[in-house]
Amino acid sequence: SQTIHQWPATLVQPVGSPLSLECTVEGTSNPNLYWYRQAAGRGLQLLFYSVGIGQISSEVPQNLSASRPQDRQFILSSKKLLLSDSGFYLCAWSKGGYEQYFGPGTRLTVT
Amino acid sequence: AQSVTQLGSHVSVSEGALVLLRCNYSSSVPPYLFWYVQYPNQGLQLLLKYTTGATLVKGINGFEAEFKKSETSFHLTKPSAHMSDAAEYFCAVVIQGAQKLVFGQGTRLTINP
Repeated sequence: SQTIHQWPATLVQPVGSPLSLECTVEGTSNPNLYWYRQAAGRGLQLLFYSVGIGQISSEVPQNLSASRPQDRQFILSSKKLLLSDSGFYLCAWSKGGYEQYFGPGTRLTVT
Repeated sequence: AQSVTQLGSHVSVSEGALVLLRCNYSSSVPPYLFWYVQYPNQGLQLLLKYTTGATLVKGINGFEAEFKKSETSFHLTKPSAHMSDAAEYFCAVVIQGAQKLVFGQGTRLTINP
């Protein structure tokens, strides 16, 4: 069966510091991968998605970036965090069936 | 372009009462439709999906949804609410060939004892 991992689970970072969130999927190959953000009390915002290694599509221009160095690894990064980057970050995967399967999420607080 | 509207950002029902969460979509071609549930501080879990075939689909935890093309709706129901159903629910749509789901804004379901 497939599983998806995200780490860290929680993170508190000061404004201006860098960010790296990691997502890995097990039990499947060549999945589509997605990064979402949920701000407090709001819905899901798609940030990036990837259909293959090195292929990244950005949905919202901002100070975040994403990379896919390996088939089942998806990384979300920032060089300098803003207060507005606080939120709950979710990684998801899909393959063939269109439904997406979500990881447990990372709670990021920028102080 | 597709879009999803969830009517009611908050719904409150009594334990044992009917749960009805509304979702309407906009799509120029037949869509695939999904309902997800999110418990506090957790990721989203797929409840059920409609792709083709039977328009009444059954999901986990006793939930079901009916695809009504004429009404462009995909409402989620459960005959009898349980305290454990308290969560955020998201409706989502995708069209064939697209790589992205379009999510509604979510409905927070509260269950009163």
